[in-house]
Amino acid sequence: DPKIIQKPKYLVAVTGSEKILICEQYLGHNAMYWYRQSAKKPLEFMFSYSYQKLMDNQTASSRFQPQSSKKNHLDLQITALKPDDSATYFCASSQSGTGTGNTLYFGEGSRLIVV
Amino acid sequence: GNSVTQMQGQVTLSEEEFLFINCTYSTTGYPTLFWYVQYPGEGPQLLLKVTTANNKGSSRGFEATYDKGTTSFHLQKASVQESDSAVYYCVLGHRGSALGRLHFGAGTQLIVIP
Repeated sequence: DPKIIQKPKYLVAVTGSEKILICEQYLGHNAMYWYRQSAKKPLEFMFSYSYQKLMDNQTASSRFQPQSSKKNHLDLQITALKPDDSATYFCASSQSGTGTGNTLYFGEGSRLIVV
Repeated sequence: GNSVTQMQGQVTLSEEEFLFINCTYSTTGYPTLFWYVQYPGEGPQLLLKVTTANNKGSSRGFEATYDKGTTSFHLQKASVQESDSAVYYCVLGHRGSALGRLHFGAGTQLIVIP
């Protein structure tokens, strides 16, 4: 059974609309992340949370807002969607700690297409 | 800045052939280096990692040596199987970076023909 659940797996959205991507992890981790994989680009770090607090934000646009209602949840709200937002969004988690030596565990991704 | 360069967007091999995927990195200080593998329809998963320079990591027959002198972390496997078909990412984690911020290479798609 997957330990990191992302919903939905696929979605198509209209330009200008708003969507929420859901992520729940059952690994007992304290740190969670969002990454984006756009066509023909490497996976790109977006946000990190530790103990439900934002630690790092590498997303230039305020249209992307992570939301953590529980320790094992980290949703991603995207407003005013644009076609360039089309990508697969991966949620990940790890044991909290310093630096980047910890192994990240990824979900299966949510593939977003904006038309 | 921190970056990873992988050559060979796609590699096609027959079963039992030798695999070599080139990876070089650029950073300051002492990174942790990873190889992640992504199977179709799944997220990336850790294949191996090395935290100390000049050490080797290995898993499931795959090996990579963290070479600080040449700033390389090439992936090798002596004999590939069809089940190894996947996308392989060379990844850098810098201790000065924020938690969880990994730098992924572009990925190399491995296709193994039975």
